[in-house]
Amino acid sequence: NAGVMQNPRHLVRRRGQEARLRCSPMKGHSHVYWYRQLPEEGLKFMVYLQKENIIDESGMPKERFSAEFPKEGPSILRIQQVVRGDSAAYFCASSPVTSGVDTQYFGPGTRLTVL
Amino acid sequence: KQEVTQIPAALSVPEGENLVLNCSFTDSAIYNLQWFRQDPGKGLTSLLLIQSSQREQTSGRLNASLDKSSGRSTLYIAASQPGDSATYLCALNNAGNMLTFGGGTRLMVKP
Repeated sequence: NAGVMQNPRHLVRRRGQEARLRCSPMKGHSHVYWYRQLPEEGLKFMVYLQKENIIDESGMPKERFSAEFPKEGPSILRIQQVVRGDSAAYFCASSPVTSGVDTQYFGPGTRLTVL
Repeated sequence: KQEVTQIPAALSVPEGENLVLNCSFTDSAIYNLQWFRQDPGKGLTSLLLIQSSQREQTSGRLNASLDKSSGRSTLYIAASQPGDSATYLCALNNAGNMLTFGGGTRLMVKP
């Protein structure tokens, strides 16, 4: 059973461009979470999704950021008009369908650099 | 709002030493607590998960305890090895499933 997969692993964007980060949860997992780790800071929750639904987006900036988890395909975290402050490691995690309080399994992360 | 603090922020020990990492939290209404390991530039590896009803969990040389009444958890590492060098994170799961992380403890085990 492959783990949580994220791509790309590294992404470089210029200010004003769009960044698309992808996350494929573990097989059988229908809960997906996105976290952000800013340089020299801890991980912060951004958004929690189930298939086709956003359950909790309380940690996501109101502007420029959006997330989706379609019926088919990976979860996408989209950042429009990136700024230097968006440079960070973005981690995706997934948990089983049975309960959201199970262990969250993390992917390797996408490291976004904004020039 | 849950706040999680980890002390110390950094720790350097000689190989073979037993050590304790501390995690304290403000809201004891938790579902579970997880300890993770993060290597530089890498993702997170789950080490131990303690459910709210449990007091401790063990895996190999690792033992994690949970005391909700005092808002504390400890991660005990026995007979430390250089390969244990990493950042250790504790994370709490309150209602809503999101994890609230501490700032981490950077551990260096010297040969």
